[in-house]
Amino acid sequence: GENVEQHPSTLSVQEGDSAVIKCTYSDSASNYFPWYKQELGKRPQLIIDIRSNVGEKKDQRIAVTLNKTAKHFSLHITETQPEDSAVYFCAASKGGGKLIFGQGTELSVKP
Amino acid sequence: GAGVSQSPSNKVTEKGKDVELRCDPISGHTALYWYRQSLGQGLEFLIYFQGNSAPDKSGLPSDRFSAERTGGSVSTLTIQRTQQEDSAVYLCASSPGGAGQETQYFGPGTRLLVL
Repeated sequence: GENVEQHPSTLSVQEGDSAVIKCTYSDSASNYFPWYKQELGKRPQLIIDIRSNVGEKKDQRIAVTLNKTAKHFSLHITETQPEDSAVYFCAASKGGGKLIFGQGTELSVKP
Repeated sequence: GAGVSQSPSNKVTEKGKDVELRCDPISGHTALYWYRQSLGQGLEFLIYFQGNSAPDKSGLPSDRFSAERTGGSVSTLTIQRTQQEDSAVYLCASSPGGAGQETQYFGPGTRLLVL
């Protein structure tokens, strides 16, 4: 069935370093790939998304890359700050339907 | 404008009782989704409504779970004969619907504890 694998499950970086989170999806018909940030006790918040007709998208310190052939997509955060500490979820969907989420990455940015 | 709202924010119930969880989507959004998040886990899809189409119920874990969406707006998720493993945060999301408008906006969730 549909599946999204996310790695690593935990990631600790020093402030100012870069962080990379990787996801792999199983359904080749998937065409929409959002990333959500969830702080403790809060709702998931969309931080960036990419559609299958684009290979890369950037928004300030955040970028997402998509490799459709390999069914991989990645989140890149540069110049990390303590406020970037949270759990990050990748997801995939097709045709605007249900999101299939990865298991999450707990990012810790140490000052 | 107002975001997705959910009520109650917290619900404690006894095993075997029925519970109803409510979701008010963003006005004008035609798509509405329910997800479940167990402690420290990812989000698990439950059910999806899009306009007047038949809902996608493929994620409902058992026949104790059901949901309806009245008038294309408010949705209610009902869990009958609750079990302890139903304890989780139930999240609702909505999106404008249609091609290129897939972004899902989440509500604050209902934290359900079954004793």
